[in-house]
Amino acid sequence: GQQLNQSPQSMFIQEGEDVSMNCTSSSIFNTWLWYKQEPGEGPVLLIALYKAGELTSNGRLTAQFGITRKDSFLNISASIPSDVGIYFCAGRDTSYGKLTFGQGTILTVHP
Amino acid sequence: NAGVTQTPKFQVLKTGQSMTLQCAQDMNHNSMYWYRQDPGMGLRLIYYSASEGTTDKGEVPNGYNVSRLNKREFSLRLESAAPSQTSVYFCASSVEISPQPQHFGDGTRLSIL
Repeated sequence: GQQLNQSPQSMFIQEGEDVSMNCTSSSIFNTWLWYKQEPGEGPVLLIALYKAGELTSNGRLTAQFGITRKDSFLNISASIPSDVGIYFCAGRDTSYGKLTFGQGTILTVHP
Repeated sequence: NAGVTQTPKFQVLKTGQSMTLQCAQDMNHNSMYWYRQDPGMGLRLIYYSASEGTTDKGEVPNGYNVSRLNKREFSLRLESAAPSQTSVYFCASSVEISPQPQHFGDGTRLSIL
């Protein structure tokens, strides 16, 4: 089956810093999604990407669909304490059809 | 704006007991999903239902059964619970199976002793 590697596994940053995380896959995807999960809640969709090379922003969040279609990146600018949570990438390829999730990046922001 | 509602939120079972996890969505979505989340492993798909009347296995279906009761409801059953099934279970829904994003419930935290 599909393999998704998400890195880093965890990040400890100071408020105001920028954050970058990425996912790489062993197969080509036609959709990349980024989710955030807060304690005790389900994942919430942040950004959806549908085309290779696509760059999409949602407030301080920016995500890109890699040109090779095997990777995606999420950047958070000027982090704030409420950015704390687990960020998941998820991808879908044409043959499998269902989402494959990365292992998650745990983000901690120190005030 | 309930979205996806899961019940119960918490449950403790003994090995061998059976249990049904309930999920309902009020967004008129066609597709529904059950995932389990374990530390360091992201979310893994157990079963899904592309549309009312259909169900299919996902990545980790062993030990589980599902029922798509109607368009709104999709239940997950553990017939004989095992400690390896201790996990957080999430139900999700989407307009169609592909390529729509999925909307998640808040999870059921299940412990099996």
